[in-house]
Amino acid sequence: DTGVSQNPRHKITKRGQNVTFRCDPISEHNRLYWYRQTLGQGPEFLTYFQNEAQLEKSRLLSDRFSAERPKGSFSTLEIQRTEQGDSAMYLCASSQRDRGQLYGYTFGSGTRLTVV
Amino acid sequence: DQQVKQNSPSLSVQEGRISILNCDYTNSMFDYFLWYKKYPAEGPTFLISISSIKDKNEDGRFTVFLNKSAKHLSLHIVPSQPGDSAVYFCAASSVYGNNRLAFGKGNQVVVIP
Repeated sequence: DTGVSQNPRHKITKRGQNVTFRCDPISEHNRLYWYRQTLGQGPEFLTYFQNEAQLEKSRLLSDRFSAERPKGSFSTLEIQRTEQGDSAMYLCASSQRDRGQLYGYTFGSGTRLTVV
Repeated sequence: DQQVKQNSPSLSVQEGRISILNCDYTNSMFDYFLWYKKYPAEGPTFLISISSIKDKNEDGRFTVFLNKSAKHLSLHIVPSQPGDSAVYFCAASSVYGNNRLAFGKGNQVVVIP
């Protein structure tokens, strides 16, 4: 395990369909983040897990979005009733914090979602 | 509101010269700063970081400078190489904010051989 893995890399879906993305973080990292990036913008924070607990959600995360991290390992991000505005790159990152130091804030390659 | 700002969206530099990227932030609670490099269709790749207790961190060709009083940081790449052509993002985090990252909009760097 040398990095953060995200699947699928690309997803094209019709408006109104549900989609689910998966993220496998670096195994020793206890923190997992989801971000969304649209064209011309930097990544924007969506949600954060410490182990299996979802500790923070951005107001960007509407009711149609849900994220889980069962057993504190991999995480899934589900979007229900997709809209064209959901088209973006969805990025997962993991990190470890130890005695006040932040280590290894590493991103996956992302899932590119296109809603048609 | 944009808490991390990167002006000058694009930069062209000759191979072998220095590339300087600037970043300003507004949140005085930020205590950790990172620079990422991003190629199209890939996730951001970590380059270098700096804690707020330092004013300089160096790693090979990359040096980050932090001026806390001005809420400003910069990334120096020297010498620039064609493989450095990418989008560079400045990001900031705070222990009080669960270390979520606030990103700037990025700078496109083109290194001309």
